Amino acid sequence: AQSVTQPDIHITVSEGASLELRCNYSYGATPYLFWYVQSPGQGLQLLLKYFSGDTLVQGIKGFEAEFKRSQSSFNLRKPSVHWSDAAEYFCAVLSGGKLIFGQGTELSVKP
Amino acid sequence: SAVISQKPSRDICQRGTSLTIQCQVDSQVTMMFWYRQQPGQSLTLIATANQGSEATYESGFVIDKFPISRPNLTFSTLTVSNMSPEDSSIYLCSVRDRGLHYGYTFGSGTRLTVV
Repeated sequence: AQSVTQPDIHITVSEGASLELRCNYSYGATPYLFWYVQSPGQGLQLLLKYFSGDTLVQGIKGFEAEFKRSQSSFNLRKPSVHWSDAAEYFCAVLSGGKLIFGQGTELSVKP
Repeated sequence: SAVISQKPSRDICQRGTSLTIQCQVDSQVTMMFWYRQQPGQSLTLIATANQGSEATYESGFVIDKFPISRPNLTFSTLTVSNMSPEDSSIYLCSVRDRGLHYGYTFGSGTRLTVV
């Protein structure tokens, strides 16, 4: 069955430091992959998605993600984290027209 | 991208009662989805709401507990029936969004507490 794993439940980084959130997927064919962010008390906002083509995907708010088929990964990165980036981040794979979500990674940002 | 209005944003309900959540989209969409997010958990798909036909439910979710209506291409409702404290969750609707090049847009959610 298709699945998404986010190995890190909680990550804390200092403001201005770089960030990488891990996502591994299990999917037979070429996956359609997504990263969403959920701020406290809010719905989900799409950061970026990968359908095909260039494996490095640029998103909103300065985020990017790289699709690596050999590693079954789609890690999210940001070169310099801002305090407003503190939120829950979800990786998802599209399967049968439906999104399957990972467990999420909670990001805390230290001043 | 599509704009989704979801109502109510939050509610506190007595056990044994029912709550109907509304999802209004500002453009016509083929498929609408309902998710549940239990406290501290990820999102789980409840059902896919299809216009003109019955909703398609995921394993573990049944129509008697979560009846869904989809009267047109811009509106859907999810009812949480005969509620118990275990139904306390955030419920979100979602649509496949052509404006996002087929990303999926989510409503802001309904935070439900059952007491």
